Amino acid sequence: EADIYQTPRYLVIGTGKKITLECSQTMGHDKMYWYQQDPGMELHLIHYSYGVNSTEKGDLSSESTVSRIRTEHFPLTLESARPSHTSQYLCASSPSGSYNEQFFGPGTRLTVL
Amino acid sequence: GIQVEQSPPDLILQEGANSTLRCNFSDSVNNLQWFHQNPWGQLINLFYIPSGTKQNGRLSATTVATERYSLLYISSSQTTDSGVYFCAVELFRGGADGLTFGKGTHLIIQP
Repeated sequence: EADIYQTPRYLVIGTGKKITLECSQTMGHDKMYWYQQDPGMELHLIHYSYGVNSTEKGDLSSESTVSRIRTEHFPLTLESARPSHTSQYLCASSPSGSYNEQFFGPGTRLTVL
Repeated sequence: GIQVEQSPPDLILQEGANSTLRCNFSDSVNNLQWFHQNPWGQLINLFYIPSGTKQNGRLSATTVATERYSLLYISSSQTTDSGVYFCAVELFRGGADGLTFGKGTHLIIQP
């Protein structure tokens, strides 16, 4: 079944640790996105990608980085986690072309102590 | 950037009631989506509706692109409809530019 997956679902980690949030999709989509959502707030775009070897920063400034080496995989990395990075991170994908509906993964809830 | 305003911000209804949620946006868009965020944080796609009208069971949506607004209708509400409803739009700038979300409508359906 075509889907979009995120791991881990929950992560509690100490300040200064390096973390990677995984996102994979089996929908065959070229475009992928990362959004950040603080509790009770709306989502904000932090990164997006048109395809392999393409990455762009979104509207919300973020200290995280992303890579796109394979079409189906779009991991997000924080080199040194801080309490201000505590948030929910949601990955999404969409097809190319005029029909561009986005589909979201279940999210990773990150807590940095 | 594009502005997305949702109303009302909060809505409390009894089971069985009908409701209308509104989304206003400030520019022409090539994508408009309605989502329901469940208590576990997952976004559920309700409608992809940059223009026109669609229906799915008790839910329907209408987007009037020329007047820059969209409406989500929920009929015969059930307690499982509770949660946050987001409207999100994408301003076409020639690529994968991502969605801009409104602040959401927090809906509570009481039994």
